[in-house]
Amino acid sequence: GENVEQHPSTLSVQEGDSAVIKCTYSDSASNYFPWYKQELGKRPQLIIDIRSNVGEKKDQRIAVTLNKTAKHFSLHITETQPEDSAVYFCAATPWINKFYFGSGTKLNVKP
Amino acid sequence: NAGVTQTPKFQVLKTGQSMTLQCAQDMNHEYMSWYRQDPGMGLRLIHYSVGAGITDQGEVPNGYNVSRSTTEDFPLRLLSAAPSQTSVYFCASSSPGQKNIQYFGAGTRLSVL
Repeated sequence: GENVEQHPSTLSVQEGDSAVIKCTYSDSASNYFPWYKQELGKRPQLIIDIRSNVGEKKDQRIAVTLNKTAKHFSLHITETQPEDSAVYFCAATPWINKFYFGSGTKLNVKP
Repeated sequence: NAGVTQTPKFQVLKTGQSMTLQCAQDMNHEYMSWYRQDPGMGLRLIHYSVGAGITDQGEVPNGYNVSRSTTEDFPLRLLSAAPSQTSVYFCASSSPGQKNIQYFGAGTRLSVL
């Protein structure tokens, strides 16, 4: 099955700096790559996603890039704010409803 | 729309007890899934369904059963609870007609003593 690895496990940045979280996947059939934000005690919520026919997608301060050849994708957050502090998860899906998640990155944005 | 509703929010079981975690969605989504979330391990897929009457195993199916008799409901049954099943359980639903974006329930925190 699919194997998704996520790095780093923790990331601490100063407010206003950029944050980058990277994920790799193993199954070349994966074609949909969502990113979720999970605040403490809350449910995961989708923040951005990308499909395999696109190399980059941006939504205000958040962007995702995908390199299908190398089988990796990354989340970029610019101008970080304290409310960006949370755990972020990447995921990949090779078939319809079968999602595989990375182990998560705890982002801490220091004011 | 309530979205995805999970009950109960918290549950404590003794080893060997059985119970059912409920999940219901009112968005008419075809796809539903169950995940467990353990510290440092992200979310792992237990079972999933692509429509009423159709279920399949995910990464960690042992010790769990599911059924999908209606589009709205997807209950998860623990047959004989074990301490290793202590976790937070999330149900999610999505639809291919809505770009397959997953919506999660609020979760069930389960402790098995």
